[in-house]
Amino acid sequence: GQQVMQIPQYQHVQEGEDFTTYCNSSTTLSNIQWYKQRPGGHPVFLIQLVKSGEVKKQKRLTFQFGEAKKNSSLHITATQTTDVGTYFCACTSGTYKYIFGTGTRLKVLA
Amino acid sequence: DGGITQSPKYLFRKEGQNVTLSCEQNLNHDAMYWYRQDPGQGLRLIYYSQIVNDFQKGDIAEGYSVSREKKESFPLTVTSAQKNPTAFYLCASTGHPQETQYFGPGTRLLVL
Repeated sequence: GQQVMQIPQYQHVQEGEDFTTYCNSSTTLSNIQWYKQRPGGHPVFLIQLVKSGEVKKQKRLTFQFGEAKKNSSLHITATQTTDVGTYFCACTSGTYKYIFGTGTRLKVLA
Repeated sequence: DGGITQSPKYLFRKEGQNVTLSCEQNLNHDAMYWYRQDPGQGLRLIYYSQIVNDFQKGDIAEGYSVSREKKESFPLTVTSAQKNPTAFYLCASTGHPQETQYFGPGTRLLVL
């Protein structure tokens, strides 16, 4: 079945450093969503990308969708301790089924 | 206050016992989902339902059962056939295909 792989699995950064997580698929995606899960919490929707080459920004977060719609990235500029958590990408398979990536766990050292 | 509620927050199961996890939403969403998350792992789909009285198996449905008798409710039963049920269970819903998934706060199931 369809799978999305995320790298890296873990990332530790010093506060103020940048962070990037990548999401890759072997098949063309109709869309890609990004979620953040704080430690002990539940996933919360961040953004959805639909168009080839699309770039969206939310304050210090930049989301990109690849030209071939097979990969996506989330970049955080100047990380803060509030950025700690696990970031998941997700795509839809069929109409209502969602496939989640394995997630990247971010730790920010103050 | 709209959203998804899950209960209980923590649940303990004895060997050979069936337990039911509750999920209720007041978002008027058609589709509802159950995911399992193991420590340090991603989300794996157990079951999903696109409409009342209909549901489909996800990737790890064995040992689980669901029902969808009402639009607002999608309970998950963890049966005794599920040999390794200890995990964090998340319920989610979505209003339209390929749109945002809204998650409940989750239920942590532990086996005694």
